[in-house]
Amino acid sequence: EAGVAQSPRYKIIEKRQSVAFWCNPISGHATLYWYQQILGQGPKLLIQFQNNGVVDDSQLPKDRFSAERLKGVDSTLKIQPAKLEDSAVYLCASSLAARVVNIQYFGAGTRLSVL
Amino acid sequence: GENVEQHPSTLSVQEGDSAVIKCTYSDSASNYFPWYKQELGKGPQLIIDIRSNVGEKKDQRIAVTLNKTAKHFSLHITETQPEDSAVYFCAAGVPGNKLTFGGGTRVLVKP
Repeated sequence: EAGVAQSPRYKIIEKRQSVAFWCNPISGHATLYWYQQILGQGPKLLIQFQNNGVVDDSQLPKDRFSAERLKGVDSTLKIQPAKLEDSAVYLCASSLAARVVNIQYFGAGTRLSVL
Repeated sequence: GENVEQHPSTLSVQEGDSAVIKCTYSDSASNYFPWYKQELGKGPQLIIDIRSNVGEKKDQRIAVTLNKTAKHFSLHITETQPEDSAVYFCAAGVPGNKLTFGGGTRVLVKP
């Protein structure tokens, strides 16, 4: 079974530029998550989708971050404009429907460096 | 919201010894407690999980215990091997599948 796919693996940009990350979840997984992992810390949830609807985006900095999952499968996370403190690994995870607790499977992440 | 504290932040053990990592959580609604292992350049991988209706779970050299009254849960790795070297994260989950992660423990197994 294919895992969660993310691209790109690495991205280097200058502050105030924009960047986008892509995620393809495990087939059949209705729930998709984006996490931010700052070096030396645990992952922090940014946004959770159930199919193509947002379940929780309470920790998403909405003035600069946006995410979409238009057809309920792939998702993109965008940062515009980027700040130095956005340097982190952005992890995508997916799970079966979130009505009950289900295992979250993670992708390898995109490492973002903002200079 | 939920807050998960994890200790220690680093742990160095001799190969063959045991390693123990402890976590505490704050939200009594949390009912799911997974442990993830993260190797360099990779995403977190689930190694074991426990639900709130169970006090202990074991899978070969790995075991997890849960004390709901005290809001504690722990990971135990026995007979450690060099390939156990990684960063380990605990997490607490609430209905709706939202996970809150601890800060991580870097485990180094010395040959």
